[in-house]
Amino acid sequence: AQKVTQAQTEISVVEKEDVTLDCVYETRDTTYYLFWYKQPPSGELVFLIRRNSFDEQNEISGRYSWNFQKSTSSFNFTITASQVVDSAVYFCALSGSSNTGKLIFGQGTTLQVKP
Amino acid sequence: DAGVIQSPRHEVTEMGQEVTLRCKPISGHDYLFWYRQTMMRGLELLIYFNNNVPIDDSGMPEDRFSAKMPNASFSTLKIQPSEPRDSAVYFCASSLAGEANYGYTFGSGTRLTVV
Repeated sequence: AQKVTQAQTEISVVEKEDVTLDCVYETRDTTYYLFWYKQPPSGELVFLIRRNSFDEQNEISGRYSWNFQKSTSSFNFTITASQVVDSAVYFCALSGSSNTGKLIFGQGTTLQVKP
Repeated sequence: DAGVIQSPRHEVTEMGQEVTLRCKPISGHDYLFWYRQTMMRGLELLIYFNNNVPIDDSGMPEDRFSAKMPNASFSTLKIQPSEPRDSAVYFCASSLAGEANYGYTFGSGTRLTVV
């Protein structure tokens, strides 16, 4: 069975602090894909990143960075110098080897960035 | 591209009424997904289609729920009769099989309230 666990339900930080959102996954597939989505207060789901299981390189995009470690089945997301606009619910998701997008979502982490 | 378009954005209906949610996927995408988001269960896949054919409807909660995709540019999710516990945000998403670095695009969602 596939499962995604986001143990942090809510995180509150002050603007400019760095924050890491944890994601741990379970799958028996050898080929799989991991995702992060952002859901701002307006409600839409915004794609942030997709990573396949053969690519363990860390990724950086502006203030965002992702750390993928197969050894610990983790795909953590760090926001550097957080801003109020980063306040949202963040979801980690997993898709198995079919790559058709049957996403298994974690429960989400609500991030509040205070000014 | 206009993205995945869902209608209506908000729907309020009385228990027992039929509700139809609509989705227009991104042109050229060959997969379409319906997800439901609730506080209790988070984001869960209801059904998905490939080339207009339903592939997996194991997430459809009951016979009251049905989904169709009569052509590549349109899908509906129908609830008949609706119940208060169906209140949720329903998301439609589409994707293109085999894409290497692209996320799955979600619509803005339909917020359904059954009173």
